[in-house]
Amino acid sequence: EVQVVESGGGLVQPGGSLRLSCAVSGFSFSRYSMNWVRQAPGKGLEWASYISSSSSTIYYADSVKGRFTISRDNAKNLLFLQMNSLRAEDTAIYYCARDEPSSSIFDYWGQGSLVTVSS
Amino acid sequence: SSELTQDPAVSVALGQTVRITCQGDSLRSYYANWYQQKPGQAPILVIYGKNNRPSGIPDRFSGSSSGNTASLTITGAQAEDEADYYCNSRDSSGHHYVVFGGGTKLTVL
Repeated sequence: EVQVVESGGGLVQPGGSLRLSCAVSGFSFSRYSMNWVRQAPGKGLEWASYISSSSSTIYYADSVKGRFTISRDNAKNLLFLQMNSLRAEDTAIYYCARDEPSSSIFDYWGQGSLVTVSS
Repeated sequence: SSELTQDPAVSVALGQTVRITCQGDSLRSYYANWYQQKPGQAPILVIYGKNNRPSGIPDRFSGSSSGNTASLTITGAQAEDEADYYCNSRDSSGHHYVVFGGGTKLTVL
């Protein structure tokens, strides 16, 4: 059974940092690209970042570029999102989603991790 | 433009057929994928590619595409289909990896 579990969310002050983790099981993690997708309260889905299976290709949405860093540890089946210089508008549920390689087909999602940026 | 446009809200009578659309230039080059999201839950994939359903998705869900418009059709809508529906696709402009539509709130009357 495929499992995707995010952790690391919480309350952080504007300008602060937070690191999200996503632990996966039930499939060969090293064969799949992964994404972070976020959803602000009451809003729609917004793709944030992509990382290929080998970490050789990485993309970011303009809204997070230069502040967020995606990475992965294939030996430990872990995906990460390092978030720096956080802003109020980064407040959202952050979902980790598996991606059929370079297809944009997000076939498995975690339950999400809430990040709240507020003073 | 790399945007995908969806109607904010659509309603359907119980047991009737409803079509939810998604428009954008990227859909001329890539298929749309469709996700269902119920309140307080993570999205789930319901249609991908030309017209494929993941295991466990009822066959009343189907997808189609023409030009710059993709459609999700629910034939015989059920009360449990009431949810938000999002489309996404690769971004043909190359500016981003993927783009999502703004979502459509489906109400089953």
